[in-house]
Amino acid sequence: QSALTQPASVSGSPGQSITISCTGTSSDVGGYNYVSWYQQHPGKAPKLMIYDVSNRPSGVSNRFSGSKSGNTASLTISGLQAEDEADYYCSSYTSSSTLEGVFGGGTKLTVL
Amino acid sequence: EVQLVESGGVVVQPGGSLRLSCAASGFTFDDYTMHWVRQAPGKGLEWVSLISWDGGSTYYADSVKGRFTISRDNSKNSLYLQMNSLRTEDTALYYCAKDIAVVAATGAFDIWGQGTMVTVSS
Repeated sequence: QSALTQPASVSGSPGQSITISCTGTSSDVGGYNYVSWYQQHPGKAPKLMIYDVSNRPSGVSNRFSGSKSGNTASLTISGLQAEDEADYYCSSYTSSSTLEGVFGGGTKLTVL
Repeated sequence: EVQLVESGGVVVQPGGSLRLSCAASGFTFDDYTMHWVRQAPGKGLEWVSLISWDGGSTYYADSVKGRFTISRDNSKNSLYLQMNSLRTEDTALYYCAKDIAVVAATGAFDIWGQGTMVTVSS
């Protein structure tokens, strides 16, 4: 399966907002409301930040929000903080041939 | 404490076989779909496989289909990944991950292990 498309990098200053996009097709992002977002700091396991497009797990800051329009999902982080600097990955299911999971290539967020 | 602990990662030659294990604790294991996700050194995440709560349904990434087999033993709260015909491109840190939804499979992984490293090299 083809990976979902994310920008390689984004950056922002503390206090600003940034948005990371995740573009797929009607067979994955556009076809399911099962888009998730993960944060990964170096040497650590990924952490679930958003699931089912826009839901936050318990304990995740409300500065993180998710949305979807057509085949593109988005993660927005408001009020950027230094600790938000990390890699971010989107994921979805794809049904192009059989049911499979698929991740985006990842986006490196730099807090300036 | 909700926890997943992987084991079994080693250095293996191309064409070899390996079985990874994942021990679950702190939650009702047989209520949840479980997944394997891998990450090659310096690369992004790649979904590998999933197994339904009862073991009745399994799915695989094209890259491992026909070579890897996912299974679970709910009586032992354990998840497994049998890896055969290993290739150098299978070199990665392998994570087991719990689906967030009870019984259903949403592809949202709310609990991750620390990973176990598999290196395929001659």
